[in-house]
Amino acid sequence: NAGVMQNPRHLVRRRGQEARLRCSPMKGHSHVYWYRQLPEEGLKFMVYLQKENIIDESGMPKERFSAEFPKEGPSILRIQQVVRGDSAAYFCASSPRQGPYNEQFFGPGTRLTVL
Amino acid sequence: AQTVTQSQPEMSVQEAETVTLSCTYDTSESDYYLFWYKQPPSRQMILVIRQEAYKQQNATENRFSVNFQKAAKSFSLKISDSQLGDAAMYFCAYRSVETSGSRLTFGEGTQLTVNP
Repeated sequence: NAGVMQNPRHLVRRRGQEARLRCSPMKGHSHVYWYRQLPEEGLKFMVYLQKENIIDESGMPKERFSAEFPKEGPSILRIQQVVRGDSAAYFCASSPRQGPYNEQFFGPGTRLTVL
Repeated sequence: AQTVTQSQPEMSVQEAETVTLSCTYDTSESDYYLFWYKQPPSRQMILVIRQEAYKQQNATENRFSVNFQKAAKSFSLKISDSQLGDAAMYFCAYRSVETSGSRLTFGEGTQLTVNP
């Protein structure tokens, strides 16, 4: 059973461009979490999605950021008009069911660099 | 809102020795989960150990054990017989039972160096 897949692993964008980060959860997992790790900091929650639904987006910046988890295909974290402050590692985690007792399995992360 | 604090940005230990990493948290909830994650240079987040707040017995996983003090809101990680492969960033994390979605709230991390 493959783990959580994220691609690309490294992404370089110029200011003003769009960044699309993809996350394929583990097989059988329908719950996806996105976290952001700024340099020298811990991970910060961004958004929690189930298939076709956003459950909790309280950690998402109000502008430029969006996330989706369609019925088919990976979850996408989209950042429009990137700025240098968006440079960070973005981690996706998945779990099979809702609830704190269900472990979140993390992907390897996507490192976004904004020039 | 819950907060997690790791007051030791860096720690070091000699190979085969024991080291304890500190973590405190703040919450008004009575039931929750606490975790320690390891992040090696590959940046992959690896679950080390988990503790359920309603369980008084401290969790243990091989060389890793915790000292969970609920009243003091303290959750330290003890690594026994340290190995070179234990060198990594360690994050303490909190997860609510009561809040829908149950996001993880992480501390700022402790960088552990293991000296040969």
